[in-house]
Amino acid sequence: DIQMTQSPSTLSASVGDRVTITCRASQRIGGWLAWYQQKPGKAPNLLIYHTSTLQSGVPSRFSGSGSGTEFTLTISSLQPDDFATYYCQQYNSYYSFGQGTKLEIK
Amino acid sequence: EVQLVESGGGFVQPGGSLRLSCVASGFSISRNDMHWVRQGPGKGLEWVSVVGIGGDTYYSGSVKGRFTISRENAKNSLYLQMSSLRVEDTAVYYCARAEMRTFDHWGQGTLVTVSS
Repeated sequence: DIQMTQSPSTLSASVGDRVTITCRASQRIGGWLAWYQQKPGKAPNLLIYHTSTLQSGVPSRFSGSGSGTEFTLTISSLQPDDFATYYCQQYNSYYSFGQGTKLEIK
Repeated sequence: EVQLVESGGGFVQPGGSLRLSCVASGFSISRNDMHWVRQGPGKGLEWVSVVGIGGDTYYSGSVKGRFTISRENAKNSLYLQMSSLRVEDTAVYYCARAEMRTFDHWGQGTLVTVSS
């Protein structure tokens, strides 16, 4: 099984900040990496797939990058609506999620 | 508009069974892989199972042999038959549509509580 590890687990930031979340896979996943945003009591929402492709309707302040086993999600200028929990997911071999990164207001 | 609506969750004792349903609208499930993903209380997301377009099925190790995923294309519905339930199966269960193997639409979830 492929294990996904996100860091940090919690991130405190302010509106307007640039933030980066890292996701590491236990083995190479060939770019088959997605990012989801989840707000309390709601289902997750797909943000990015195949490492860096923005899902339709997702603001351009979100971006993804990486290769091999290390990937990042960057939010260029935090907006109030962005405070949520973010999950990475690999779909190279079956499916597995990272443990999540909670983005909090500082 | 794509919609997924789960039902069937509830309270069950350890060792019991439950069947979850997910009714889709706005698309035909026969054209997509369909998944179940769960989230324990205060925990992260855990992939559970998938049924492919061709009917092939796969399961996570934690549910293999206890859960069965199926689809009924005529009813545009996805199911998850859960048996030998354990306390650790307590979670909100989401059905999700896969597009290019990523989950682009999710239901609102149905809560399963396993407790004595």
